[in-house]
Amino acid sequence: NAGVTQTPKFQVLKTGQSMTLQCAQDMNHNSMYWYRQDPGMGLRLIYYSASEGTTDKGEVPNGYNVSRLNKREFSLRLESAAPSQTSVYFCASSEFAGEAFFGQGTRLTVV
Amino acid sequence: GESVGLHLPTLSVQEGDNSIINCAYSNSASDYFIWYKQESGKGPQFIIDIRSNMDKRQGQRVTVLLNKTVKHLSLQIAATQPGDSAVYFCADCCFNKFYFGSGTKLNVKP
Repeated sequence: NAGVTQTPKFQVLKTGQSMTLQCAQDMNHNSMYWYRQDPGMGLRLIYYSASEGTTDKGEVPNGYNVSRLNKREFSLRLESAAPSQTSVYFCASSEFAGEAFFGQGTRLTVV
Repeated sequence: GESVGLHLPTLSVQEGDNSIINCAYSNSASDYFIWYKQESGKGPQFIIDIRSNMDKRQGQRVTVLLNKTVKHLSLQIAATQPGDSAVYFCADCCFNKFYFGSGTKLNVKP
């Protein structure tokens, strides 16, 4: 049972480059989330999707876009990466108002 | 997030002792709370949850207490073990969004 799978696990980008972080879940959950975690800090919500076809901004959405491709997949795109976006990115999924299951994270460095 | 916070960034306990990790929240509309454990290099892992209509919930070696009057919750770990060493986060859920505190690092001394 894979749970929540994120790709890639590690990535180094140059300032201004773009990339898409992929996330897929196999638990048939309606809700999916993208968080970022900076060193010594908690997780901050970037975007979330309450159901297929819907997305909403979280606490720190600037510089990011998301796509809920289908019920399983929720991708996060950085159009023009900046050093301030160096972080660990976590994808999660949950049933409505229930326990969230997290992926292993993507460690992104922007130089 | 802004709605939750933790009193202590680091907690050191002796193996076998009980641990208590505290968390404050500010959003009165929050109706669901979760404690997560995050080991180094891994994603957060669910420990226990509690809904706002409860004051206490017990799991295996863990107990969560919720005081709605002062907007405070705590995680109690009984007989703390080396494997409990991790960062612990509380999160509150409102309108299907989870907001996390900054975390408490628990160090278990052998």
